[in-house]
Amino acid sequence: LAKTTQPISMDSYEGQEVNITCSHNNIATNDYITWYQQFPSQGPRFIIQGYKTKVTNEVASLFIPADRKSSTLSLPRVSLSDTAVYYCLVGDVTTDSWGKLQFGAGTQVVVTP
Amino acid sequence: GAVVSQHPSWVICKSGTSVKIECRSLDFQATTMFWYRQFPKQSLMLMATSNEGSKATYEQGVEKDKFLINHASLTLSTLTVTSAHPEDSSFYICSASREGANNEQFFGPGTRLTVL
Repeated sequence: LAKTTQPISMDSYEGQEVNITCSHNNIATNDYITWYQQFPSQGPRFIIQGYKTKVTNEVASLFIPADRKSSTLSLPRVSLSDTAVYYCLVGDVTTDSWGKLQFGAGTQVVVTP
Repeated sequence: GAVVSQHPSWVICKSGTSVKIECRSLDFQATTMFWYRQFPKQSLMLMATSNEGSKATYEQGVEKDKFLINHASLTLSTLTVTSAHPEDSSFYICSASREGANNEQFFGPGTRLTVL
């Protein structure tokens, strides 16, 4: 699995857009990029997954440049409830070993009023 | 959506006792489940892969005799922490994937183990 690097923490105010960039220089051809959110004392929750270009769902957008060596999770108009740790993971989702997720340190996002 | 439950949500035990944690996929079948451990202010660490009908596969450094895993059915995996000690106190989380769910791993809510 490709190693990922994220900022340790990010602060934001309510209503702002938060962009978290993850570096994954050694991403392989079959690897997908997946982001999870974790609140204290809870299991991680799937946010979004993508392979290239841009993916958008009801909670976030994921931007992936052509070289796929990085990706950016964009959280539009954050609220206090978006305060959490966000993890970027890279791996081949088509294999049986996909579930063996290797979590990096994650990014602690703190949203204040 | 797919739901994974864990029981108990928290447990306090005396040193030397064994504790069993259950992980259930409530509305889907999971041939493979995964167990993670998370210490305070740290990331999740994969402990083992639980395979239905076969032995679990442990990550390097995880004692298989200490952390017994049994995948009794397609919806249930159990993790037993044997002869628990204070250093085993941690947050234990399981996950499972549902076929056709966009490769999404569904995580349980976690179990907080405190060993006195």
